Amino acid sequence: GQNIDQPTEMTATEGAIVQINCTYQTSGFNGLFWYQQHAGEAPTFLSYNVLDGLEEKGRFSSFLSRSKGYSYLLLKELQMKDSASYLCAVRDRNSGYSTLTFGKGTMLLVSP
Amino acid sequence: DSGVTQTPKHLITATGQRVTLRCSPRSGDLSVYWYQQSLDQGLQFLIQYYNGEERAKGNILERFSAQQFPDLHSELNLSSLELGDSALYFCASSVEGTGFEKLFFGSGTQLSVL
Repeated sequence: GQNIDQPTEMTATEGAIVQINCTYQTSGFNGLFWYQQHAGEAPTFLSYNVLDGLEEKGRFSSFLSRSKGYSYLLLKELQMKDSASYLCAVRDRNSGYSTLTFGKGTMLLVSP
Repeated sequence: DSGVTQTPKHLITATGQRVTLRCSPRSGDLSVYWYQQSLDQGLQFLIQYYNGEERAKGNILERFSAQQFPDLHSELNLSSLELGDSALYFCASSVEGTGFEKLFFGSGTQLSVL
């Protein structure tokens, strides 16, 4: 099975930087995704890491350490519209055709 | 707009009833996934289809069933509904369903069982 842990809630100020951590335990790690979900809406893809290191995409970056079972999503220059839930999802090759298992998400509140 | 269409957007029904949720994937996507999202459990994988065939099964109850039709749309059938089945049900699609691709999610069906 898999175990994915993320903080439940975080708060930050507009213009600041926030780091959302995700730790996971899985026997057949085969990739990690981050999704953003605004309240009542569908999750949307943010980033994908399969090798160790940092992937940068505009204001968002995602880091992976496979040996530590750890990832983080870094959001820079926070905007009010970044208030959302951020879901960490892990792919496990032992789940057959590599289905995704999602964490419960981190609710980020950006204040003025 | 992700290109994935789910209907209905809201569904209110009573315990013991049966409902059908419908999903049309993005044009060109062969794989469809169903997820259930509740406040306490987060996004839970139910089942995946690829080109009409079941590919992977997650935490799907025996009261629930799904299928993918030749035109690639999918339906999730929920029967003998219980209060605890109240949740947001998402459909997602991807091109090949290998798991190496990002998923495109529909806007979901909010099911309320009263």
